[in-house]
Amino acid sequence: AQSVTQPDIHITVSEGASLELRCNYSYGATPYLFWYVQSPGQGLQLLLKYFSGDTLVQGIKGFEAEFKRSQSSFNLRKPSVHWSDAAEYFCAVGALNQAGTALIFGKGTTLSVSS
Amino acid sequence: NAGVTQTPKFQVLKTGQSMTLQCAQDMNHNSMYWYRQDPGMGLRLIYYSASEGTTDKGEVPNGYNVSRLNKREFSLRLESAAPSQTSVYFCATPGLGTGYGYTFGSGTRLTVV
Repeated sequence: AQSVTQPDIHITVSEGASLELRCNYSYGATPYLFWYVQSPGQGLQLLLKYFSGDTLVQGIKGFEAEFKRSQSSFNLRKPSVHWSDAAEYFCAVGALNQAGTALIFGKGTTLSVSS
Repeated sequence: NAGVTQTPKFQVLKTGQSMTLQCAQDMNHNSMYWYRQDPGMGLRLIYYSASEGTTDKGEVPNGYNVSRLNKREFSLRLESAAPSQTSVYFCATPGLGTGYGYTFGSGTRLTVV
């Protein structure tokens, strides 16, 4: 069965420091991979996605992610974190079904930013 | 603006009461989904609809029913609410093809007391 694991429940980084959020997936075929961000009390916003092609994908707000098939990973990175990046981050994998792509989500990583 | 609209935004129910969560999208997409979000659990799929007139169960369908009224609207009904259904509910619709991710509504925060 398809699954997504985000090993870190909560991460704290200093403002200006680099960030890496981990995501591992289990999927039988080529996955469609996504990162979403959710600010408190808000809906989910798509940061970036991997569909095919270049394994390093760029997203909004200065985020990037790298797909590594050999490690079944899709880690999210940002070189310099801003206080406004504090939020919850969800990794998701697309599983094909007759409806198109039903997303399976990880349990999320909460990012806190210290000054 | 194109997107997904959910109503209501907040609701408090007593155990055993019923209610319907409404979702409408103006993106002309065929597929629509209902998820629930609970702390530490991420988002879990309740029901989905591949197209008008079709619905299927997701990971956690028990206690819920859905109706795909037309292409725009996909409602989620709780016939007899239970405290375990206290959650934040999101409606979503995927973009063209499979590479566009989902567009989510702003959510309905439901509390069952």
